[in-house]
Amino acid sequence: QLQLQESGPGLVKPSETLSLICTVSGGSISSSSYYWGWIRQPPGKGLEWIGSIYYSGSTFYNPSLKSRVTISVDTSKNQFSLKLSSVTAADTAVYYCARDNYYDNCGSDYWGQGTLVTVSS
Amino acid sequence: SYELTQPLSVSVALGQTARITCGGNNIGRKNVHWYQQKPGQAPVLVIYRDSNRPSGIPERFSGSNSGNTATLTISRAQAGDESDYYCQVWDSSTAVFGGGTKLTVL
Repeated sequence: QLQLQESGPGLVKPSETLSLICTVSGGSISSSSYYWGWIRQPPGKGLEWIGSIYYSGSTFYNPSLKSRVTISVDTSKNQFSLKLSSVTAADTAVYYCARDNYYDNCGSDYWGQGTLVTVSS
Repeated sequence: SYELTQPLSVSVALGQTARITCGGNNIGRKNVHWYQQKPGQAPVLVIYRDSNRPSGIPERFSGSNSGNTATLTISRAQAGDESDYYCQVWDSSTAVFGGGTKLTVL
């Protein structure tokens, strides 16, 4: 059974860089059909897609966040990561990682449990 | 940028049929996915590519997509179906989520 697990600091100071890692277990991040994505959800609000990465390193980013986001992949560790720079209180959210069956257009079928990141001094 | 519009809330009587809409320009030309999210939990995929159910999702969940509106239909609504529901599409290499609909089962 595929599992995804987010990890990283739960508290980040304003203007600093938020860094999260998603560890994939029970399957390979190098599978050919899938992109691996980050989605966030501010408290009490809806889902916002941040970006996605293929195992080769090809990325898609949300245009509204693109200038601050970097997503990378480490196939040797079966992990992918998110960096969001110059954070403000508006970046406080639960951050999810997910597998997107992009090439078969079958949606995001596996999600991590999510991790709350609070931006505060 | 592409936008998806969902009603903020939908109510349905226990055992009746709920329909949640997702509006977008020519959305019928896109593949629509639907997610269910319960409080404090990660979203769960309930419909993919307009009308397909992942393994383990009850047949009571169905979907359709035509023109400018995609619809998630939940038949014989149960108390456990009370959740937030989100539609999602890909547009020009960008994933877009609808704003979400809170389903209340009365």
